[in-house]
Amino acid sequence: EAQVTQNPRYLITVTGKKLTVTCSQNMNHEYMSWYRQDPGLGLRQIYYSMNVEVTDKGDVPEGYKVSRKEKRNFPLILESPSPNQTSLYFCASSLERNQPQHFGDGTRLSIL
Amino acid sequence: QKEVEQNSGPLSVPEGAIASLNCTYSDRGSQSFFWYRQYSGKSPELIMFIYSNGDKEDGRFTAQLNKASQYVSLLIRDSQPSDSATYLCAPDSGTYKYIFGTGTRLKVLA
Repeated sequence: EAQVTQNPRYLITVTGKKLTVTCSQNMNHEYMSWYRQDPGLGLRQIYYSMNVEVTDKGDVPEGYKVSRKEKRNFPLILESPSPNQTSLYFCASSLERNQPQHFGDGTRLSIL
Repeated sequence: QKEVEQNSGPLSVPEGAIASLNCTYSDRGSQSFFWYRQYSGKSPELIMFIYSNGDKEDGRFTAQLNKASQYVSLLIRDSQPSDSATYLCAPDSGTYKYIFGTGTRLKVLA
């Protein structure tokens, strides 16, 4: 089954404790992206990747890091999480940039 | 800052009626447009995409694009309670960045 898999689905953690949210797709997609979704603000792009080893900032990259060492994986790293990063996070992928994106099920992060 | 504007709603329509969802965008370079549906607590899923001016129909859904007016809409005919969701508009600007509208919440009343 074609899918985008995120883990964990839920996480409660404390300020400053490094965490990684994993994202994996099995569709051989070139384009991958991370979004956060907050009430009233909609989906905002954090980082995106055009292909292996090629990443760039979206609209809200501060406090986040990404890497794309393999085509299928695109982890999101919070080196020193803060409460303002409490949000619902989605990973998405598409065959190419201008194709429809497939979304993972989301990761709800709470930073205390 | 490129913008995508949607009325947040809620837009309430009776069952069987036509729901009309609108989206305006500021980036004249946008070439194609995606409509995603998001149920509460779920991830967005693609409903329609449109590349050319005019109408594109898929079942009960029709997307309408007017690039001169920088306006794209989604019509849902014979609305059903299962259509109750938030609908997100996302233009493809031709860059690798995506800016989504904040979404319109649709409520179909049985």
